[in-house]
Order: sequence, then C-alpha cells, then structure tokens
Amino acid sequence: QVRLNQSGAEVKEPGASVRVYCKVSGYSLIELSMHWVRQAPGKGLEWMGGFVAEDGEKMFVEKFQGRVTMTEDTSAETAYMELRSLRSEDTAVYYCATHLKTDYSLDIWGQGTTVTVSS
Amino acid sequence: ETVLTQSPGTLSLSPGESVTLSCRASQSISSNYVAWYQQQPGQAPRLLIYEAATRATGVPDRFTGGGSGTDFTLTISRLEPEDFAVYYCQQYGSSPKIMFGQGTRLEIK
Repeated sequence: QVRLNQSGAEVKEPGASVRVYCKVSGYSLIELSMHWVRQAPGKGLEWMGGFVAEDGEKMFVEKFQGRVTMTEDTSAETAYMELRSLRSEDTAVYYCATHLKTDYSLDIWGQGTTVTVSS
Repeated sequence: ETVLTQSPGTLSLSPGESVTLSCRASQSISSNYVAWYQQQPGQAPRLLIYEAATRATGVPDRFTGGGSGTDFTLTISRLEPEDFAVYYCQQYGSSPKIMFGQGTRLEIK
C-alpha cells in the first residue's frame, strides 16, 4: 500500500524559508510524479506544481515561480518542497500528492503539513 | 487558463436525500481530465471520481460522476452521515496544469 508521510508542523517568520518533506513507502519514488497542493485556512485547494509525466518536467504555478523548489532524494524515497521568502499569506496546510491508478488526478495524498508564517 | 466554478457554495440537506453538485468550466475540457474529491474537516482530500465518471477504488456506488464539455456533475444518492463534507472538482489542462474549483460544502440540515 502506497503511503506518503509528511514532516511536522512549522512556524516561520516572514522572509524565512520552509522545507517540507514527503516520505514514500510501499512504492518507489522514482516511479511516481509528485505534486504539491496547499490549502490556506478556510480556503480551497491550490495546486502549486509538480512533475508532469507527459511533458517530462516539473511545472509550477506562475505565482510560485522563483520562490519554490521541488526536489527528490530517490535513495531516501523522499520528496521535498522548499518555499522561500515566506509571507503571511503562505500560511496553509501543504500536501504532497501523487497518482498511481489515474493519469490526470491525484489518488494518493500525504496527511498535510501546517506551515504558519508569523512574526 | 480554464476556470472551474462550482455551485452552489453550500448545500444543507438531510441524510437519505440525494444531491447533484455542479462544476462548470470556462472552456470545454476533455472528460478524461475531470476529477472530484471529498474533503472531511482536518483531513486530506480523497479522490472520488476520475475521468469524469470512473469511481476511485473503494468509493461507494452512490457517488456518480457525469457531464461533458463545460458542465460536469457529481451526484450523491441516499446521503449518509459521512458524506457531509466539502467537494472539489479538478481539471487537468495546460496552464496551470491542475486547477481546482472553489468547492461545495455539503452540510447537515
């Protein structure tokens, strides 16, 4: 059974960076296309970016370009998302998610990591 | 950019009733690229329907997806207490690659 286990909650000051990890078990990370989705308090889901298999590259929402890095350590079966220059509006739950049985939707989700940006 | 608009924003219903949620796209999209998720409070989203009408593993058959072009629906028959949640539609497209609707909250009357 594929599981995505995310790192714990973080509290950061404005201007800092945060790195969230997502450890894969039950499958090989190298065979997965990892995506990151965030959800601000009381708000909807927002896709940030991820590896798009059909294009063979990582793609990001324009608003995060230059501020987000998504990497993988396949030896550790762990994906990482780093978001820099944090501002209060980055306060959200961050999810890693992937697709196993589907091509264009996300059927496996991590439990979420709460990131709070506050001075 | 294709925008997804879900309606209504909130619905109040009773267990046992049936409901159809709407997701309208600003331009026509392939049915292969439409999915629906359920999110319970404090939990990660759960995929319910993909390719517009295919139930994900373990999803009860009271959940039915449909539609084409710009109009897609999620019908829930005989609402169970655990069905009261927020529902999101999602499309896979060009830019951004994945887009979610703003969600419909289904609450107990």
